[in-house]
Amino acid sequence: KAGVTQTPRYLIKTRGQQVTLSCSPISGHRSVSWYQQTPGQGLQFLFEYFSETQRNKGNFPGRFSGRQFSNSRSEMNVSTLELGDSALYLCASLPGTGSLGTQYFGPGTRLLVL
Amino acid sequence: AQSVTQLGSHVSVSEGALVLLRCNYSSSVPPYLFWYVQYPNQGLQLLLKYTSAATLVKGINGFEAEFKKSETSFHLTKPSAHMSDAAEYFCAVNGGSNFGNEKLTFGTGTRLTIIP
Repeated sequence: KAGVTQTPRYLIKTRGQQVTLSCSPISGHRSVSWYQQTPGQGLQFLFEYFSETQRNKGNFPGRFSGRQFSNSRSEMNVSTLELGDSALYLCASLPGTGSLGTQYFGPGTRLLVL
Repeated sequence: AQSVTQLGSHVSVSEGALVLLRCNYSSSVPPYLFWYVQYPNQGLQLLLKYTSAATLVKGINGFEAEFKKSETSFHLTKPSAHMSDAAEYFCAVNGGSNFGNEKLTFGTGTRLTIIP
């Protein structure tokens, strides 16, 4: 099976802009989670979607949003970008049931905000 | 709420020596515990996981970890370090059998350096 894919891999934006990142989970997986990784804060959970519904949400401002489509692909959007949003954004997929919590991560999208 | 603490942000070992990376957890429910590895400019790769089936868990690349409830620990070990083991290692916990809580809480990571 193909792994988790994330596009784009690298992105440069300026403050105030918005950005959309995409994640395609492993075929058959219905759950997608998003994480932000920064040197200062480490790995932090953003949100999780299961069957097109947000099931869990982390402690991030409303500028961070996401959605999931019927084919399980997910997008996350960050509006009004700030310098502190520069990070590696990781997407993870899991079947959603019976997986014993194992999440399979994509390579990430590295976002640089100037 | 679940949490994990990784002791030592940097660990250096000689090639061929024992690797020991420490992780302690805090959880109000029986946890599921994971070790992930991250190589430079890559995502996270699962090394192994504990889901209450067996306390000694074997993973990929010769790594293993032992779940010790009395010590609330889940330390990662490898008998003989290889140069290719140089990477950052993350311990993580989720809600375990609390189905529907798939949020992973990660430790701060341990950067492993292998000395030739």
